[in-house]
Amino acid sequence: GESVGLHLPTLSVQEGDNSIINCAYSNSASDYFIWYKQESGKGPQFIIDIRSNMDKRQGQRVTVLLNKTVKHLSLQIAATQPGDSAVYFCAEYGDSSYKLIFGSGTRLLVRP
Amino acid sequence: ETGVTQSPTHLIKTRGQQVTLRCSSQSGHNTVSWYQQALGQGPQFIFQYYREEENGRGNFPPRFSGLQFPNYSSELNVNALELDDSALYLCASSGLEAKETQYFGPGTRLLVL
Repeated sequence: GESVGLHLPTLSVQEGDNSIINCAYSNSASDYFIWYKQESGKGPQFIIDIRSNMDKRQGQRVTVLLNKTVKHLSLQIAATQPGDSAVYFCAEYGDSSYKLIFGSGTRLLVRP
Repeated sequence: ETGVTQSPTHLIKTRGQQVTLRCSSQSGHNTVSWYQQALGQGPQFIFQYYREEENGRGNFPPRFSGLQFPNYSSELNVNALELDDSALYLCASSGLEAKETQYFGPGTRLLVL
């Protein structure tokens, strides 16, 4: 079956450092990926997305890299701030055009 | 903020009861999806509504049902509540095209006792 998973359940970084959150997917036909940030007690918040015709996309302080060969994507956060502390999910559309499949999430802790 | 609203924010029910959760989609969006998020897990797709009809369904039993109204708002109904239905229920709205970004509301926290 299809699945999206994360390698590290918890990531602790020093404020100001860069953070890298990884995600593996199993469906080679997946062509659209989204990163969400979820703070405690809130719904997932869209961060950045990438389609399979790209291997890199940049936003404000965030970069998503997609490696289709090994079915892996990562979210890089530059100059991590305390406000970045949250759980981060990668999500993809599987074989359907409507159902987002989420991984189990990585908790990012930013040390002052 | 996404513009997706949900009500109520919190709800406590007892086993066997029925519950209705509500969602208003973001302006310009006509598609609403519902997800269940158990504590410490990622959201699980329940179903999606497009133009007032169910457009797809995840692995949830028939006691989970929904509606979408002409103004694109939506309801999630759960009958015969079970303890395992305790979760955060998330509504997401998206636009016309397939595989669009889904924007989430704040969720409704349901506790079944």
